[in-house]
Amino acid sequence: DTGVSQDPRHKITKRGQNVTFRCDPISEHNRLYWYRQTLGQGPEFLTYFQNEAQLEKSRLLSDRFSAERPKGSFSTLEIQRTEQGDSAMYLCASSPIAGGGSDTQYFGPGTRLTVL
Amino acid sequence: GNSVTQMEGPVTLSEEAFLTINCTYTATGYPSLFWYVQYPGEGLQLLLKATKADDKGSNKGFEATYRKETTSFHLEKGSVQVSDSAVYFCALVSPYSGAGSYQLTFGKGTKLSVIP
Repeated sequence: DTGVSQDPRHKITKRGQNVTFRCDPISEHNRLYWYRQTLGQGPEFLTYFQNEAQLEKSRLLSDRFSAERPKGSFSTLEIQRTEQGDSAMYLCASSPIAGGGSDTQYFGPGTRLTVL
Repeated sequence: GNSVTQMEGPVTLSEEAFLTINCTYTATGYPSLFWYVQYPGEGLQLLLKATKADDKGSNKGFEATYRKETTSFHLEKGSVQVSDSAVYFCALVSPYSGAGSYQLTFGKGTKLSVIP
């Protein structure tokens, strides 16, 4: 079990540029989640996948954000035309499908995005 | 909607002191409750969880009891150590709230510093 990995760990970009983050979940986990965490706040849910299907998206996920999980394994989160307000830590988590909402979500180390 | 309120920090304690971090919640359905911990420079880790009323979660000397009547899930530890210095997040999942959602709803986090 190698845990959830995310790449890159840090990203600095200029306003208006596009960025893409990758998440590799724990291999046998069917569910994959994206969260965003700003300084001094708890993580906020963005979206989640069950296998390759994107089942829920938060209202926080504007049209500039898109996420994919094409083969039900790794996932990408793309932000187009970045804004300074997008600066945050982007967290990925995965969980198995077992006992409904009690399944533990395992988090990756996060990608810290800074938009200049 | 779902929400989690936890006591604001930072909290500074001397080693071997008793710790309580208060957490209350609002949720539809029957949530599962979690405490996650974020050590400096590391990702979020599950500390403990409870999935139904009166359950007690415990790990590493920390405990929390799911109190449905007071909608609370307070975190306690009898004797803290310097190594417990971290940010603690209370969270819930309520998949039966109508949306079939498995998203975690987090509190804002409480920073704990333990001094020798």
